[in-house]
Amino acid sequence: ESVLTQSPGTLSLSPGERATLSCRTSQSVMSNYLAWYQQKPGQAPRLLIYGASSRATGIPDRFSGSGSGTDFTLTISRLETEDFAVYYCQQYGGPPGITFGQGTRLEIK
Amino acid sequence: QVQLQESGPGLVKPSETLSLTCTVSSGSISSYYCTWIRQPPGKGLEWIGFIHSSGNTNYNPSLKSRVTISIDTSKNQFSLKLTSVTAADTAVYYCARLLGYSFDSWGQGTLVTVSS
Repeated sequence: ESVLTQSPGTLSLSPGERATLSCRTSQSVMSNYLAWYQQKPGQAPRLLIYGASSRATGIPDRFSGSGSGTDFTLTISRLETEDFAVYYCQQYGGPPGITFGQGTRLEIK
Repeated sequence: QVQLQESGPGLVKPSETLSLTCTVSSGSISSYYCTWIRQPPGKGLEWIGFIHSSGNTNYNPSLKSRVTISIDTSKNQFSLKLTSVTAADTAVYYCARLLGYSFDSWGQGTLVTVSS
């Protein structure tokens, strides 16, 4: 079974700082199959990045994704107050089919 | 932009069947995968399964024995049935569109509580 491990569990930063979130997969993943989501309290997740590095429609360019194989990164270049939320990575394929990481909480320092 | 909306009972008794429907508007559900995802309170996301308009399905092995997802293209709806529920099935249930290999559109989610 493919497992996605996100780190850190919680990241405390200030507006204007750079955020780097990690997603490590237990099995090698094709880049097309890796996505990132943002979830705010009481809201559904929102697709940020698909195919490991492509921004979804309407996503600001301060969000970027990178990585390959088993190591993937979501970077937010300059944090704005609306960016403080929980972030999930997601993998398509491999048993059990589709899996999510456990999430990284990005909080205001 | 396609819009999705979940509907169904917010309270289900233990051992009974959870039934939810997702209605899709501003677009057809044909030619992509209609998906159910859940999130227990305060926890992460769990993929339940998906169905294509062709009728092909794929379920999370951990839930497969209890899950059925069906589709009604004439109504632009798809549905979830989860049998023999327990308190562990209490969660916000989302319907979503799988486009390619990621979920680009989500419903707002509906909380289902399993309790007597």
